[in-house]
Amino acid sequence: KNQVEQSPQSLIILEGKNCTLQCNYTVSPFSNLRWYKQDTGRGPVSLTIMTFSENTKSNGRYTATLDADTKQSSLHITASQLSDSASYICVVRYGGSQGNLIFGKGTKLSVKP
Amino acid sequence: DTEVTQTPKHLVMGMTNKKSLKCEQHMGHRAMYWYKQKAKKPPELMFVYSYEKLSINESVPSRFSPECPNSSLLNLHLHALQPEDSALYLCASSQDLGTGYNEQFFGPGTRLTVL
Repeated sequence: KNQVEQSPQSLIILEGKNCTLQCNYTVSPFSNLRWYKQDTGRGPVSLTIMTFSENTKSNGRYTATLDADTKQSSLHITASQLSDSASYICVVRYGGSQGNLIFGKGTKLSVKP
Repeated sequence: DTEVTQTPKHLVMGMTNKKSLKCEQHMGHRAMYWYKQKAKKPPELMFVYSYEKLSINESVPSRFSPECPNSSLLNLHLHALQPEDSALYLCASSQDLGTGYNEQFFGPGTRLTVL
């Protein structure tokens, strides 16, 4: 079954600290993996997209890694800011004909002052 | 313009009302999507349009009726909804349904409450 699992479910960190969010997937065939940031009540905003040949991709203070062999990805946030408080969703694009997106349940990050 | 816009931002309707949600993009994208998102859950795909034709209907009840009048617009017509249909409705667009990154750009959503 095509699934995307994220951990932890929620995380609280202090402003300025780093954190790492995890994503494991069983989607096959695989097309690409993306991380989205979603503020409460708003639409998701794309942070990174990686294909199987890309091991790491950065977007400012966000760095995503992908290990296609172990089917794991991580999102590392450096020097967190209060505005980083949001849900972070790992999404895998199915490589089959319809190319559906398989969504993880997200990690809710709270950055405290 | 790299935005997907949605109107209205908020909508409250009774179970006998008829209303419509609107979505617009001017990125030249030829695939557009409707998602439903309940609180603390990931988005669930409802419909996909490709080149203005309905490509995917994820067994959505007929009280939701999508419409794609042209390549920039996507509507979702609502009729006889139930309270459990209350959710955030997200529109998204992508270049097409092809391979490659095919990044989906999401709109800000319409918060729907059915009384």
